[in-house]
Amino acid sequence: SQTIHQWPATLVQPVGSPLSLECTVEGTSNPNLYWYRQAAGRGLQLLFYSVGIGQISSEVPQNLSASRPQDRQFILSSKKLLLSDSGFYLCAWSLGRVTEAFFGQGTRLTVV
Amino acid sequence: QQQVKQSPQSLIVQKGGISIINCAYENTAFDYFPWYQQFPGKGPALLIAIRPDVSEKKEGRFTISFNKSAKQFSLHIMDSQPGDSATYFCAASMGGTYKYIFGTGTRLKVLA
Repeated sequence: SQTIHQWPATLVQPVGSPLSLECTVEGTSNPNLYWYRQAAGRGLQLLFYSVGIGQISSEVPQNLSASRPQDRQFILSSKKLLLSDSGFYLCAWSLGRVTEAFFGQGTRLTVV
Repeated sequence: QQQVKQSPQSLIVQKGGISIINCAYENTAFDYFPWYQQFPGKGPALLIAIRPDVSEKKEGRFTISFNKSAKQFSLHIMDSQPGDSATYFCAASMGGTYKYIFGTGTRLKVLA
């Protein structure tokens, strides 16, 4: 069966520090991968999605970037964190077009 | 046109009652409509989904009603239980893309 791993679960980082969140999927090949951000009490905002290795689509101009170095690995990064980058970051995967998306357990990022 | 509007923002229901959450969309190209359930500190989990070729889909106590002409769909939770207390998100996606557009969420509380 397919599983998605996301880490760390919580992270407290100072303003101006770098960020690297990692997501991996097991049990499937060539998944579509997504990074979402959820602000407190808000909906899910799509940040990036990838349909293949090295293929990244950005949905919202921001202080973040994403990379997909391997088929089942998706990384969210920042060179210098801002206070506004605080939130709950979720990785998700799906297969093909218009199918179910499955989410990881999320990373709670607090920038101080 | 890319938005999915969800209401209400919060909902309190007595145990055994019916919980109803509504979503509306504008883009008629959307053709896949999932609902997700999210518990605090966890990633959203797929609950039930529908495509516009059917008007209703039922899985256990959860039912999606879909009104294509009105561009609306809703989630009904029958015999609501305290364990159903969570945040519910509707979403929409369209064939030919890989993106899911999420509503802003409904926080449901079921009183014992």
